[in-house]
Formats: sequence, C-alpha cells, structure tokens
Amino acid sequence: GAGVSQSPRYKVAKRGQDVALRCDPISGHVSLFWYQQALGQGPEFLTYFQNEAQLDKSGLPSDRFFAERPEGSVSTLKIQRTQQEDSAVYLCASSLSPRDSSYGYTFGSGTRLTVV
Amino acid sequence: GENVEQHPSTLSVQEGDSAVIKCTYSDSASNYFPWYKQELGKRPQLIIDIRSNVGEKKDQRIAVTLNKTAKHFSLHITETQPEDSAVYFCAASKSTGANNLFFGTGTRLTVIP
Repeated sequence: GAGVSQSPRYKVAKRGQDVALRCDPISGHVSLFWYQQALGQGPEFLTYFQNEAQLDKSGLPSDRFFAERPEGSVSTLKIQRTQQEDSAVYLCASSLSPRDSSYGYTFGSGTRLTVV
Repeated sequence: GENVEQHPSTLSVQEGDSAVIKCTYSDSASNYFPWYKQELGKRPQLIIDIRSNVGEKKDQRIAVTLNKTAKHFSLHITETQPEDSAVYFCAASKSTGANNLFFGTGTRLTVIP
C-alpha cells in the first residue's frame, strides 16, 4: 500500500482482556517502530524491529507487552491482561533504511485503545 | 537517554502573525531533529526536519533553526493561517543505530482568524 496501515482503528477492551494490534508497514521498509501516545502527550517509543529482528524493546512498559514481526513485514503488538493505564493511541512507523532511519520515516494513523 | 523539552504547551496567534516553538535536547549525540504536525485524531505528519550539520532550513512559511552548542532548536511559522492550527511536536534522534525518535510534549497552536 501507499502508507503505513494499522488495524483496528479503534479497540475497546475490558480490563483483563488480551488485545492484538496490527501494523502493515510500507512495502520494502526495513525498520519498524511502535510508539504509545497517551492523551495530550507526545509519542513514546516502545520497540524497534529491523526486518524480523527485535533490536530494541527497552520502551515496553511491562512484560504484559509483546511485539513480533515474524516475516519482517507485518508486525503485531500484543497486550495481555489489559489495564486502564494501557489506554492510549498506539502508533506504528516504518522507515526505509536501518542506516538512516530518518529516510522515509512514516507513521500510521494509529489504534486507539480504550480499556474499560 | 535523550530528554526533549518543548515550550510553550499552548500558543494562540492572530492570523498573519508568526509563531515560534522551542525545544531543547539533552543528548549531544542526537543529530536529526524533525518536526511533526498532528491534527486531532490523525497521524503525525512530518513538516520539516534538520540535521546537525545545518544551522537553518526553510520551506516556504516554515523554518527550523538549530543551535548545537546550546542543544536547542526552534520552529518558526510565518504568515500563519487557520489551517496551521494543530498540535506540533519536536523530536530528536541519532538517526542511525538506536534510531527511535524522542518526542517533546507538544504545542497546541491556535490561529485566530
């Protein structure tokens, strides 16, 4: 596709429920990033993939958060046993080159997760 | 790690006036500084960026300046228009290696017609 695609666009989960958020990066983009954006805040880094390798997961807030990109294309962010503080917009971004991530860095529209 | 601070948090200007948003960063190894515009419910959109080997960059009504010594950079919007109203985020990264973006907390710009 022409851009980074994320689904679902909106997700309401009951506290304790598991959720899975999907990101389809731009075709050929090697680097993929997940960010969490709380209401009224800037995006905060969660994790980074170079192809299928998860090279940095330092931003994941707890072991309830897990991300994968098994074939180096589509990525899934999974949150287990959701809690109210997980409510946020989850943004995915991809870029063309791992040597210069600024090249072609593009965000998706995000998934708005609300935990009730 | 990197820490990016952004001021002001809100800014209101009359249409046609200029707007300036300022950011500071803490990691001297950061070398790439993009600015994003985010409208309500939309994705962040890159509007301009600057690398550490350049002191100023301009694109029509938008300009960014960088002072590496002081570790601060600024966004300047001239001849503001109502459609410039949005939240603006500055960010910093090393662009290679550990290349995730560190964002400021955002500035809500309102342009009053």
